[in-house]
Amino acid sequence: AQRVTQPEKLLSVFKGAPVELKCNYSYSGSPELFWYVQYSRQRLQLLLRHISRESIKGFTADLNKGETSFHLKKPFAQEEDSAMYYCALSGGGTYKYIFGTGTRLKVLA
Amino acid sequence: DTAVSQTPKYLVTQMGNDKSIKCEQNLGHDTMYWYKQDSKKFLKIMFSYNNKELIINETVPNRFSPKSPDKAHLNLHINSLELGDSAVYFCASSQALYTGELFFGEGSRLTVL
Repeated sequence: AQRVTQPEKLLSVFKGAPVELKCNYSYSGSPELFWYVQYSRQRLQLLLRHISRESIKGFTADLNKGETSFHLKKPFAQEEDSAMYYCALSGGGTYKYIFGTGTRLKVLA
Repeated sequence: DTAVSQTPKYLVTQMGNDKSIKCEQNLGHDTMYWYKQDSKKFLKIMFSYNNKELIINETVPNRFSPKSPDKAHLNLHINSLELGDSAVYFCASSQALYTGELFFGEGSRLTVL
């Protein structure tokens, strides 16, 4: 069965410190992985997707098929990064688009 | 131009009432969804609507019924509201079913008293 696991409900870091938000998945085929972000009182929006291999707002995420992980990283956290982050998986076609339970990132001054 | 819009943003109602939330997308997408975000911020898919085919998540009570008058609209009707229905409901759309980027609405916060 498809599953997305985000083990941390809350992650607090100081400004300038590195950040890693963990995401593990289970899926039998070749999934498409995403990170979505929800800033306070705003809609969810796509942050990045594994197939584009981009760095958005300093964040990167690498798909590790061996470890079935798609961790989100940023070398130097900023206060404006404080938000709710969701890892998501899509199998395409008949498979559902599912989200992890989310990790709240708090960047402290 | 707002890509995905939902109304109302806030809805406060009594148990047992029936209410609807409307959603419209102007992206020309073929697929629309309803997600429920509960108090713990868990985001769960409720429905997918793709080319007039409704795909229901098996855990959704039949008090919830989506209605799609056309490809650009997917409304959510809820009968006999219960306390546990209190949540934020998000509408979303994508170009194709379960593929690519989801575009979300701002959410509709439903409070059942």
